[in-house]
Amino acid sequence: DAGITQSPRHKVTETGTPVTLRCHQTENHRYMYWYRQDPGHGLRLIHYSYGVKDTDKGEVSDGYSVSRSKTEDFLLTLESATSSQTSVYFCAISAGPAYNEQFFGPGTRLTVL
Amino acid sequence: SQQGEEDPQALSIQEGENATMNCSYKTSINNLQWYRQNSGRGLVHLILIRSNEREKHSGRLRVTLDTSKKSSSLLITASRAADTASYFCATDGTSGSRLTFGEGTQLTVNP
Repeated sequence: DAGITQSPRHKVTETGTPVTLRCHQTENHRYMYWYRQDPGHGLRLIHYSYGVKDTDKGEVSDGYSVSRSKTEDFLLTLESATSSQTSVYFCAISAGPAYNEQFFGPGTRLTVL
Repeated sequence: SQQGEEDPQALSIQEGENATMNCSYKTSINNLQWYRQNSGRGLVHLILIRSNEREKHSGRLRVTLDTSKKSSSLLITASRAADTASYFCATDGTSGSRLTFGEGTQLTVNP
């Protein structure tokens, strides 16, 4: 998984609670991404980062915030979890000659009851 | 809406047969990529084809790109049971660093 770890790998939480997912990379990559994967929707971009403290929204950013205070860590926070945020969350980094290719972490399965 | 759409949604073949998956997209692209996802795992990059390329090979994989039709195909030759996975196409536009994924094709290769 290209030196990308995600924690936790599984989490069950209740509606209304805050949740933070962590993505950690060891190879100093500049670009990092958070996606969610749901049946019938494929992968959808939530937020991405192009450097420390530099982040931008993706197509499904409502209800999510991110932070990147260090190159190696990209945090995704669900400020007040809802059942619609039950999903599998993937972190990715960009690499390759033109930073086109993405490499994915193993995923976090989040269930919001 | 998703930029890429794969067809078929599901494909079941016998080991040794070829598997062909198609991807259509809507807007101009710089590159198109194919990824594989095994059950319960993250996506793995397979191959990238640039908008000025028409065909690319990598081992048993052959990718074609027709920018006039806004479509691409992924051919896996001499399939193996280990090829069983979901396959996704992904496109990037002018931003370069952001990808838009299709919904994927679920390939099952029966031994």
